Amino acid sequence: GAVVSQHPSRVICKSGTSVKIECRSLDFQATTMFWYRQFPKKSLMLMATSNEGSKATYEQGVEKDKFLINHASLTLSTLTVTSAHPEDSSFYICSAGQGAGGGNQPQHFGDGTRLSIL
Amino acid sequence: KQEVTQIPAALSVPEGENLVLNCSFTDSAIYNLQWFRQDPGKGLTSLLLIQSSQREQTSGRLNASLDKSSGRSTLYIAASQPGDSATYLCAGTGGGNKLTFGTGTQLKVEL
Repeated sequence: GAVVSQHPSRVICKSGTSVKIECRSLDFQATTMFWYRQFPKKSLMLMATSNEGSKATYEQGVEKDKFLINHASLTLSTLTVTSAHPEDSSFYICSAGQGAGGGNQPQHFGDGTRLSIL
Repeated sequence: KQEVTQIPAALSVPEGENLVLNCSFTDSAIYNLQWFRQDPGKGLTSLLLIQSSQREQTSGRLNASLDKSSGRSTLYIAASQPGDSATYLCAGTGGGNKLTFGTGTQLKVEL
């Protein structure tokens, strides 16, 4: 149980393109989902917290107009990288926690999306 | 601001050896701590979750402990196998499921 599906697994596109990444909780409902970015051989950096039915909460230094997050249902959150440039190339990972908040539940992660902007 | 550090950054051991990975955090007001495994180019697999009221968790050959007073957690791997080769990440929450990740330990278990 507790499977998180992330799609696509890899994207290669030209500079200026907008790219949408989907994160789905397949067998549980997730009020909150999280989006992370990982640079090569580095740890994960939290970009934003995605809340179902409300605006996402972005971490300091993350451009909300650049990284659009939509959490339209309890099983789906999307991250759109708008007008992507080479410096946006990275590994993006989403996660979802079972249950609502509180920090008691483990987070389950998607397999990540490798984004390469040419 | 919570900062999480993992030592060593990289570790290479022969198969069968028992080993310990270390994780330290600056803010003792940590709610729970989770250990993950990441294979190259992949997402994260949750290994163990130590909740705020607990001191350790065990799963198979893995044992994780948490000492909030000293700001440390350890992951013990018994009888290591080549299939254990991966990057191991610890992460703590201050509540609300928001994780702060450590820097990771890259483990290689050699035949």
